[in-house]
Amino acid sequence: DAGVIQSPRHEVTEMGQEVTLRCKPISGHNSLFWYRQTMMRGLELLIYFNNNVPIDDSGMPEDRFSAKMPNASFSTLKIQPSEPRDSAVYFCATRGRGRDNEQFFGPGTRLTVL
Amino acid sequence: DAKTTQPTSMDCAEGRAANLPCNHSTISGNEYVYWYRQIHSQGPQYIIHGLKNNETNEMASLIITEDRKSSTLILPHATLRDTAVYYCIVSVLTGANSKLTFGKGITLSVRP
Repeated sequence: DAGVIQSPRHEVTEMGQEVTLRCKPISGHNSLFWYRQTMMRGLELLIYFNNNVPIDDSGMPEDRFSAKMPNASFSTLKIQPSEPRDSAVYFCATRGRGRDNEQFFGPGTRLTVL
Repeated sequence: DAKTTQPTSMDCAEGRAANLPCNHSTISGNEYVYWYRQIHSQGPQYIIHGLKNNETNEMASLIITEDRKSSTLILPHATLRDTAVYYCIVSVLTGANSKLTFGKGITLSVRP
């Protein structure tokens, strides 16, 4: 298995632009998590889905952030409009059914907003 | 509202055992202790978890005190590749609240 796939790996954009981050979970995994990591705030959970349904989005910082999971094979995290303070590494992680909270993380997307 | 406390950093010599402590004095009866690690520039990696019995796998051992208020992750023979940030997390096993809240972790430096 290729593991969790995230794209792009690096994104540089200008303030005000829309940014879309993508995640392909491990086949068969039914839970998906989006995290953000910065030096100041550490690793924060933004939102997580179970069976494609958002369960907890309390970590989403504001309305500029939105996440979707249209099917079991794909999820997106969108920032519109982006701001410099959104610069961070964004990780997607997935978990298999009944897998005791063992999450598998992707390589991350490093986002820089100028 | 951190549920766990860990030292900021520690180091050990290559080939020696690394013992990483964690305090979780407010752990609930249905919460497990999880350990993850994050090697520089990579996503976190699951290591091990346990409820109250000691656990061992190919990566590490987890020792949980009888009162469950603290635990120790043991890397029996540390290598340079074990240099990473190690996170101790408490969480329920399944359900809507089975999410991981990462603290600052402990930075382990393995020296040659």
